[in-house]
Amino acid sequence: DGGITQSPKYLFRKEGQNVTLSCEQNLNHDAMYWYRQDPGQGLRLIYYSQIVNDFQKGDIAEGYSVSREKKESFPLTVTSAQKNPTAFYLCASSRARGWEQYFGPGTRLTVT
Amino acid sequence: GESVGLHLPTLSVQEGDNSIINCAYSNSASDYFIWYKQESGKGPQFIIDIRSNMDKRQGQRVTVLLNKTVKHLSLQIAATQPGDSAVYFCAEIEAGGTSYGKLTFGQGTILTVHP
Repeated sequence: DGGITQSPKYLFRKEGQNVTLSCEQNLNHDAMYWYRQDPGQGLRLIYYSQIVNDFQKGDIAEGYSVSREKKESFPLTVTSAQKNPTAFYLCASSRARGWEQYFGPGTRLTVT
Repeated sequence: GESVGLHLPTLSVQEGDNSIINCAYSNSASDYFIWYKQESGKGPQFIIDIRSNMDKRQGQRVTVLLNKTVKHLSLQIAATQPGDSAVYFCAEIEAGGTSYGKLTFGQGTILTVHP
């Protein structure tokens, strides 16, 4: 059963703590992406990676970090430097020369 | 950066009606556009795409129209069903260079279908 998995679905953290969101895909896609979605808003790009061991900042990378050590995995760390971390986080992937992105189910992060 | 579809309008229709969802984009260099459907609490799902060298593309019950002159994209859903209720996003890509594969999303339109 191919697809993108994100875990956990809901995540709660105290302010000041770093938290890592998981994203795994078995679609053999080269490119992976992280987006943030706030209520009533569209998706904003945090980071993306077009190949293993390489990634680029998106539009709102401050306060976030990523790694891409394996093709299948693209974890996102929300650091304590992120001023408003509470949001819905979506991971996506695409083929190297494919523009259609496939999305995971999302992780809803709440920081109090 | 460039923006797509700054407004978040809502559209309410009766089951069986046709729906038209609109999107304005601002990057004239964009050459690929996608419509996504997002149900509450879920990730977006691909509906249909269109390249900038086309002005119309049809899928099953959906049609996308592209007017590059006025930078306008629309999604038409025929015989709308309650299961079509969701937020619909348009997204654009400018191919080439460091922007390759990077989608820019609009804020979305909320579609509500009444039985």
